Amino acid sequence: AQRVTQPEKLLSVFKGAPVELKCNYSYSGSPELFWYVQYSRQRLQLLLRHISRESIKGFTADLNKGETSFHLKKPFAQEEDSAMYYCALSGGIQGAQKLVFGQGTRLTINP
Amino acid sequence: EPEVTQTPSHQVTQMGQEVILRCVPISNHLYFYWYRQILGQKVEFLVSFYNNEISEKSEIFDDQFSVERPDGSNFTLKIRSTKLEDSAMYFCASTLDSYNEQFFGPGTRLTVL
Repeated sequence: AQRVTQPEKLLSVFKGAPVELKCNYSYSGSPELFWYVQYSRQRLQLLLRHISRESIKGFTADLNKGETSFHLKKPFAQEEDSAMYYCALSGGIQGAQKLVFGQGTRLTINP
Repeated sequence: EPEVTQTPSHQVTQMGQEVILRCVPISNHLYFYWYRQILGQKVEFLVSFYNNEISEKSEIFDDQFSVERPDGSNFTLKIRSTKLEDSAMYFCASTLDSYNEQFFGPGTRLTVL
């Protein structure tokens, strides 16, 4: 079964502090993992994907197959990082890779 | 920059009525999806569509649901006889290649009374 777990519904940190949003997954094949973000009154948009291994807006995420995790990290949080963050796994039949989402974590950066 | 659009932004309907949610995917995209999010719950996959047919559907996507790409630009989700539990935010998404990023529309909030 494909499942994504984000254990924290809410996370609040101060500006300048490090932030880590946790994501664990369950998938029998080779997963492709994503972080999507939804800023206030905006649509869901891709933040980053593990396959590209790049840093976006200072965020990074490393796929750890041993721990089946894909945690999102940023060393110094900024107020504009406040948003809803969704971890997602790509799976399904070949050629139509649906996304399986976690519950989402609402991140609030306090000034 | 091209975007996925959805209409209406909010639809209110009576239980038992039919609703059609409309999406215009990005023009050169080939794969299309519908997801929904019940308030307070996770975003759930409903159906994927490619080459004018359903590729995969979830358990939620029962006989009350159907999708269509009637004219090469619109991608619609029809719910034949709405139930209270169909109240949710419905998101359309599209992608050029199934291994690429899925681009999401802003969503349609469906309220069934």
